Order: sequence, then C-alpha cells, then structure tokens
Amino acid sequence: SSELTQDPAVSVALGQTVRITCQGDSLRSYYASWYQKKPGQAPVLVIYGKNTRPSGIPDRFSGSSSGNTASLTITGAQAEDEADYYCNSRDSSGNHLVFGGGTKVTV
Amino acid sequence: QVQLQESGPRLVKPSETLSLTCTVSGGSISSYYWIWIRQPPGKGLECIGNIYYSGSTNYNPSLKSRVTTSVDPSKNQFSLILRSVTAADTAMYYCAGSFDMATIALHYWGQGTLVTVSS
Repeated sequence: SSELTQDPAVSVALGQTVRITCQGDSLRSYYASWYQKKPGQAPVLVIYGKNTRPSGIPDRFSGSSSGNTASLTITGAQAEDEADYYCNSRDSSGNHLVFGGGTKVTV
Repeated sequence: QVQLQESGPRLVKPSETLSLTCTVSGGSISSYYWIWIRQPPGKGLECIGNIYYSGSTNYNPSLKSRVTTSVDPSKNQFSLILRSVTAADTAMYYCAGSFDMATIALHYWGQGTLVTVSS
C-alpha cells in the first residue's frame, strides 16, 4: 500500500473548480509534486515545491499544503484537463520516492 | 532541453532478467537525480529505484532484492536491472530525472517502454 493516499476519482463540470488531495505523514516534512497522466503518454509535472508551475503549465493549476495534506486545484477546468493525477513525495524515511494511488479527474 | 529515451528488450521470459537503459541528451547525467518508475496495466505509478550522479542508490523496499541501478557518465546513460521477473513485472517502464534536489520533482521523463513478461 502507498504511503500517500488519494481519492480514486472526482468529476468536475467544464469551467468549474476541482481540488484533489493527497494525504500522508511524510507531507508534514516534504512537499508533494503533482503529475498529470493521460493514456499513452508519459506523466507531466504540473506542480512542485510550495506552489511552482513548470514552464508551459497553465496558471489554472495551483498547489497548496497543510499538515499532512497536499492539494492540487484546477480553477476553471478544461476538457483537456481530463486525466489521472498523481502526487509524489519522499516517504517517511526520506530515502525513497513514493506515489499516491492516483485520482482520475473527469471533466 | 533535457530528453530521455528508454531502450531494451520489450519481451522477457519469466525468471529471466529485465534490462533497460535510459539515454540522456541535452544535459549532463552528472548533474541530476535519476529514477526508474513503472506502471502495470490498469494500475498506478510505482517507483522502482533511483540513482544519484554520485552513484548512490535507493530502491523500493518491495523490489530491493531484485533491482540494481547504475550510471555510465561516459555514455550519458543510466540503467535498470530487474532479476527473476514474473508476469507481475509486466508494465510500462519510464526513466525520469530531476535537477531539484530539494523537492525531487521529476521534470524530465522518457516516453516509456512497455515490457511484457511472457514465455
């Protein structure tokens, strides 16, 4: 089982806001990174650190963290945002990277 | 722009060894953190093992007894060996890299290679 827990699925109406959460004890010490995964494509980093978007990622993607929970928010979801989203961080030992189980976002 | 490309056999027989190589272009392998990740069909992402440019490694505890990663700076490549494979090791295998040692955010990914374990 993963040390990072995500809800399996969430749906959002076009243009509305959706928040995806990732829970784990290690998140009290380490930031989460968030990846968008579409079928047949490699994952794409969308948020990392406190709330940093790599170049080319739309500003409708944002991240936050509180206690043992990290969140990814899509403000004004678009059809192209339909994908699986994975959080990723170090485990409690700090030595290994782990992924959450993923959240399927349906727009 | 750093680019990664996985290479290796796509079909491996049960009990044999899976061997993949990731070639890095557009950047020096000596400046980053590298990792192998897989996704079995219909399942989520799983970290297999990582290697720092210094050669230091960490492996997923559930796979540790079967995994070895290595880096070849002369070829700008890093590699994965997974021994004694079974059908459960059938997956899309990705190599990925990070230049951010603080967050280990994986900015760079290969396109992935599907490895099937079957006789």
